[in-house]
Amino acid sequence: AQTVTQSQPEMSVQEAETVTLSCTYDTSESDYYLFWYKQPPSRQMILVIRQEAYKQQNATENRFSVNFQKAAKSFSLKISDSQLGDAAMYFCAYRRSNDMRFGAGTRLTVKP
Amino acid sequence: DVKVTQSSRYLVKRTGEKVFLECVQDMDHENMFWYRQDPGLGLRLIYFSYDVKMKEKGDIPEGYSVSREKKERFSLILESASTNQTSMYLCASGTLQGWHGYTFGSGTRLTVV
Repeated sequence: AQTVTQSQPEMSVQEAETVTLSCTYDTSESDYYLFWYKQPPSRQMILVIRQEAYKQQNATENRFSVNFQKAAKSFSLKISDSQLGDAAMYFCAYRRSNDMRFGAGTRLTVKP
Repeated sequence: DVKVTQSSRYLVKRTGEKVFLECVQDMDHENMFWYRQDPGLGLRLIYFSYDVKMKEKGDIPEGYSVSREKKERFSLILESASTNQTSMYLCASGTLQGWHGYTFGSGTRLTVV
């Protein structure tokens, strides 16, 4: 079974600085999708960014970007110009067909 | 705005009670899912459904059952609640296309006493 590993249970960043959250996954498939979700204290899971495995170009959404290394099975999330509203749990997810697997999550704290 | 609605935000039940968690989506999605979220474990799939009256076991189905009588509604049932089922339960829906992530409800925090 596919597994997703987030090795950083907690991370902290100063407001306006940049932070990178790590994610690795294990799969034998070549066609799949990767996602980062944000879960603020409201508990609503929000899709932050997504990446198709067959695309080499890294996805970018405003201040959020990913570093996708397919051979290394690595999918890190970079948040630039961190804002107080970025404080949340972040989950990395792998999807193939109807099977979506999540990592254990990284709690991001943003210091003013 | 598309929505997945879970009927209860907080729920407290007694050991041995039968518990129903309801989830409704308004996006005409084929797939619906129930996840359990625990600290340090992330989200674990309990059951999912890809069509009305169809269901598939996820990774941790023991102690749970589900019902999908209508496309928009997916219920999670705890036949006899136990304290180790105290958790956050998240419902999600999605299309068959893998590019689209899932849309999640706001979760039900269930406490079994």
